[in-house]
Amino acid sequence: DTAVSQTPKYLVTQMGNDKSIKCEQNLGHDTMYWYKQDSKKFLKIMFSYNNKELIINETVPNRFSPKSPDKAHLNLHINSLELGDSAVYFCASSQPPQGNEQFFGPGTRLTVL
Amino acid sequence: KQEVTQIPAALSVPEGENLVLNCSFTDSAIYNLQWFRQDPGKGLTSLLLIQSSQREQTSGRLNASLDKSSGRSTLYIAASQPGDSATYLCAVNSGYALNFGKGTSLLVTP
Repeated sequence: DTAVSQTPKYLVTQMGNDKSIKCEQNLGHDTMYWYKQDSKKFLKIMFSYNNKELIINETVPNRFSPKSPDKAHLNLHINSLELGDSAVYFCASSQPPQGNEQFFGPGTRLTVL
Repeated sequence: KQEVTQIPAALSVPEGENLVLNCSFTDSAIYNLQWFRQDPGKGLTSLLLIQSSQREQTSGRLNASLDKSSGRSTLYIAASQPGDSATYLCAVNSGYALNFGKGTSLLVTP
């Protein structure tokens, strides 16, 4: 069974569209994250949720809105997509306290045309 | 703010060599440090996790060390194989999220 899953795996869309990426974890973890890997392969935290509450929100445009319907899910909705949003988005989860290992999903490759 | 640096950015070695990848971080107040492997176009595979209280971790041909006070970690790969070719990422946990280095791209030639 997949521990952290993301859908879709690939997403190709036009500028200006709105899209969502879904993440689910079956590890029973309380904390979930979204990371972005840019074209230079640099990975950076975007958001972190603990027990459905936002605890980290890095300097991400407000076109990006995470939504956590329950502890096992953290979805990422992106409005008015721009060319610069093209990247690989990784979801991850861990169990508090902060010293525990983070488990990553397979990534979603978003291409904005 | 935590800054993570990996040296070298790229490395090419012949098969069979032992090699060392380096990672340094600016803030020694960390919870743990993880080494990941990423194959081209693929996701992240966790290799080793070292808690802040530990000095090293081993898994097969891989050994990772941590010197928290000096802000350094090394990943030692013994008897390298072509299948080890990938990008290796170091990530430091200073709180709720991981701070990643930019990675070392490793090529092991037959």
